[in-house]
Amino acid sequence: DAGVIQSPRHEVTEMGQEVTLRCKPISGHNSLFWYRQTMMRGLELLIYFNNNVPIDDSGMPEDRFSAKMPNASFSTLKIQPSEPRDSAVYFCASSSRAPYGYTFGSGTRLTVV
Amino acid sequence: GESVGLHLPTLSVQEGDNSIINCAYSNSASDYFIWYKQESGKGPQFIIDIRSNMDKRQGQRVTVLLNKTVKHLSLQIAATQPGDSAVYFCAVIVGGGADGLTFGKGTHLIIQP
Repeated sequence: DAGVIQSPRHEVTEMGQEVTLRCKPISGHNSLFWYRQTMMRGLELLIYFNNNVPIDDSGMPEDRFSAKMPNASFSTLKIQPSEPRDSAVYFCASSSRAPYGYTFGSGTRLTVV
Repeated sequence: GESVGLHLPTLSVQEGDNSIINCAYSNSASDYFIWYKQESGKGPQFIIDIRSNMDKRQGQRVTVLLNKTVKHLSLQIAATQPGDSAVYFCAVIVGGGADGLTFGKGTHLIIQP
């Protein structure tokens, strides 16, 4: 089992550019979560999906952020346009029995300059 | 809602000693508690969990204690090893977890040789 796979591992982009983060959950897991981690705010839940359907996106900071899950094996988190304050580590997690048994990916470290 | 806080951002212990990491939560309806370990450059990894109908649970070298009266939980690591060096987070689920996991800010455990 390869675990939750995120790409890219690191992303450096200029302010105003579009950024797309990708996640492949563990096969058979029906829930997927996007978290953002910063020193100031810790781990924050942005959005989660159950059976590919967005359940709660109240953590998405603003309209510049959007997330999709077109099928059970792929999800994207998009920021357009990106801003320096979006710099953080973004984690994807999946579970077969949410809210228990989360498995996290290794994260994408995003730097917006 | 729920807020979760840790008492110390950094804890330094001697190799071989026992470590105790503490966490406080605010919502008395919290019913499931998890400790995660995050090593540098990696996502959080599950260590141990406990449900609200228990006050103690033991794993390999780790013990979680839950005191619902004062809304406090702790993680005890026996005979701390260099590989235990990481940031430790407590996470809480309230009432079935419709809002997902709420994470504390984390305690960085530093192992002194």
